[in-house]
Amino acid sequence: GQQLNQSPQSMFIQEGEDVSMNCTSSSIFNTWLWYKQDPGEGPVLLIALYKAGELTSNGRLTAQFGITRKDSFLNISASIPSDVGIYFCAGTGSEGGNTGKLIFGQGTTLQVKP
Amino acid sequence: DTGVSQNPRHKITKRGQNVTFRCDPISEHNRLYWYRQTLGQGPEFLTYFQNEAQLEKSRLLSDRFSAERPKGSFSTLEIQRTEQGDSAMYLCASSLMTGDLKSTDTQYFGPGTRLTVL
Repeated sequence: GQQLNQSPQSMFIQEGEDVSMNCTSSSIFNTWLWYKQDPGEGPVLLIALYKAGELTSNGRLTAQFGITRKDSFLNISASIPSDVGIYFCAGTGSEGGNTGKLIFGQGTTLQVKP
Repeated sequence: DTGVSQNPRHKITKRGQNVTFRCDPISEHNRLYWYRQTLGQGPEFLTYFQNEAQLEKSRLLSDRFSAERPKGSFSTLEIQRTEQGDSAMYLCASSLMTGDLKSTDTQYFGPGTRLTVL
């Protein structure tokens, strides 16, 4: 099925380092969402973005909705061990109107070395 | 806890058996979504409801799959004659559809039901 291109696929970093990941699409979206998923659990919403150019923070997390509406990025500052997990971007409300469904990226697996 | 709940959390079944999963959305949410996630992939959309009405179904939803939301509250997803390829995590999400994009598009997920078909 249709997916967003999310990169990097995986990251292994030292505790305290900053992290950046991004998502690109061939279609425009009206809403971008970022989720974190732990093994065996459902995705947990981190940040939601609703306007092109919007920059939103949630604690150490910052995300931006790209001006072209075809991309978004997520930054994590000063990573800690509990940041370990899989991060997914998701978009909805494409050019064809709000279909209700989320289109997901393939995920970025983050590992943090204490 | 007023989040999305799903039951059972795990289901192991033999090929050819029928299985049914249940999802209880956040109480005031009128939209309910089902997704399927296989190992190493992001969730893929299956279907969604607005109140009782099933508004969209993915091509992934074969004839063996059926979803219902009879009273506009909880939903069930049934898979008939399960196949090994049906093994996956089945996720449910909900949102509140209003005139505001922020509530309509923001989906909250449940913990999922992990299905293993032997």
